[in-house]
Amino acid sequence: AQSVTQPDIHITVSEGASLELRCNYSYGATPYLFWYVQSPGQGLQLLLKYFSGDTLVQGIKGFEAEFKRSQSSFNLRKPSVHWSDAAEYFCAVERSGGGADGLTFGKGTHLIIQP
Amino acid sequence: GAVVSQHPSRVICKSGTSVKIECRSLDFQATTMFWYRQFPKQSLMLMATSNEGSKATYEQGVEKDKFLINHASLTLSTLTVTSAHPEDSSFYICSARESGDTEAFFGQGTRLTVV
Repeated sequence: AQSVTQPDIHITVSEGASLELRCNYSYGATPYLFWYVQSPGQGLQLLLKYFSGDTLVQGIKGFEAEFKRSQSSFNLRKPSVHWSDAAEYFCAVERSGGGADGLTFGKGTHLIIQP
Repeated sequence: GAVVSQHPSRVICKSGTSVKIECRSLDFQATTMFWYRQFPKQSLMLMATSNEGSKATYEQGVEKDKFLINHASLTLSTLTVTSAHPEDSSFYICSARESGDTEAFFGQGTRLTVV
């Protein structure tokens, strides 16, 4: 079965500093990978996704992620965070790899921005 | 962009009653809808997958008689929590996908509180 690991429960970053959120997955084939952001009490907003092709994926709000098959990782990065980036971030993998199945989510990383 | 509307956003019900949550795709035909559950400060767990006109497929451990899912049209799926108990209190989120699309779009979620 697929699994997604986000090793960091909380991360605190100063405003303007760079950010990297880690995500490791367990999956037998090429996965469909996603990063979502959730503000308190809200639904999910898709930041970016990877299905195939270029392993460096650009998303919204200045985020990017890099797929590394050798490390089974899909880490999310941003060069300079803003206070509005404070939220919960979820990495997810589509369960069957065909684009038609539900998602398995990691436990999430809570991002705190220090002034 | 694709919009998924979930209603209500918050609901409080008495223990033993039933509550219905609606998930609508506003600008596309949702051939597949997914229902997730999120406990406080935890990740999202897939509850069930429904295809329009078919019975829903429930994940292991999810009681299908308690969580009734109806997907009678290409724009509407409903989740009914029957005989609700306080332990059913949670955040319920739906997502919807159009046939041939590899991305599902999420609703804003419903906060259910059973008292």
